[in-house]
Amino acid sequence: GAVVSQHPSRVICKSGTSVKIECRSLDFQATTMFWYRQFPKQSLMLMATSNEGSKATYEQGVEKDKFLINHASLTLSTLTVTSAHPEDSSFYICSASLQAKGNTIYFGEGSWLTVV
Amino acid sequence: GESVGLHLPTLSVQEGDNSIINCAYSNSASDYFIWYKQESGKGPQFIIDIRSNMDKRQGQRVTVLLNKTVKHLSLQIAATQPGDSAVYFCAENIDQAGTALIFGKGTTLSVSS
Repeated sequence: GAVVSQHPSRVICKSGTSVKIECRSLDFQATTMFWYRQFPKQSLMLMATSNEGSKATYEQGVEKDKFLINHASLTLSTLTVTSAHPEDSSFYICSASLQAKGNTIYFGEGSWLTVV
Repeated sequence: GESVGLHLPTLSVQEGDNSIINCAYSNSASDYFIWYKQESGKGPQFIIDIRSNMDKRQGQRVTVLLNKTVKHLSLQIAATQPGDSAVYFCAENIDQAGTALIFGKGTTLSVSS
């Protein structure tokens, strides 16, 4: 079946630095990918919708200059957390839409970010 | 089985019981609904889905019920097992290409032996 892979699965970075998380669709082309953030004991909150070759659409309250999203190819979207702060520590999850299967959505395994 | 109120954050059941997890959705335009299971530290795992032209769908040990009138969705798990312990989320969207899933708040299911 379709697989979405995220890398890294866990990352620790220093406050003030930037960190990049990759989301790849391994065996299908995804014109649309979605980024979610999940704090402990909370639900997944949609951050942005990433469309290949165009600017991402951010949800209200999500800073586009802080959470840079690039979807340069049909199999890769990246989320860069810039000038990270401890409050950015969270579980980041991507998903990809496979339109050939009636808009089936597949999720990655998530990336744990800890900012120290 | 054990019935619960809407959006109960936790549900504890005995192994072998039936579990019912409820969810209220907000967007009356939503026409596609999915239940996900999430284990600690992992991404969501698809359980079962249902479209708005149906009110019931059954899978292996799971049944999803949809009541569009009151915008309510439920997940029934038959003969609950310890391996079913996890957080369960309902998600909704408008079934169009490129539309994101919006997640409900989740219910933690704990199954004791």
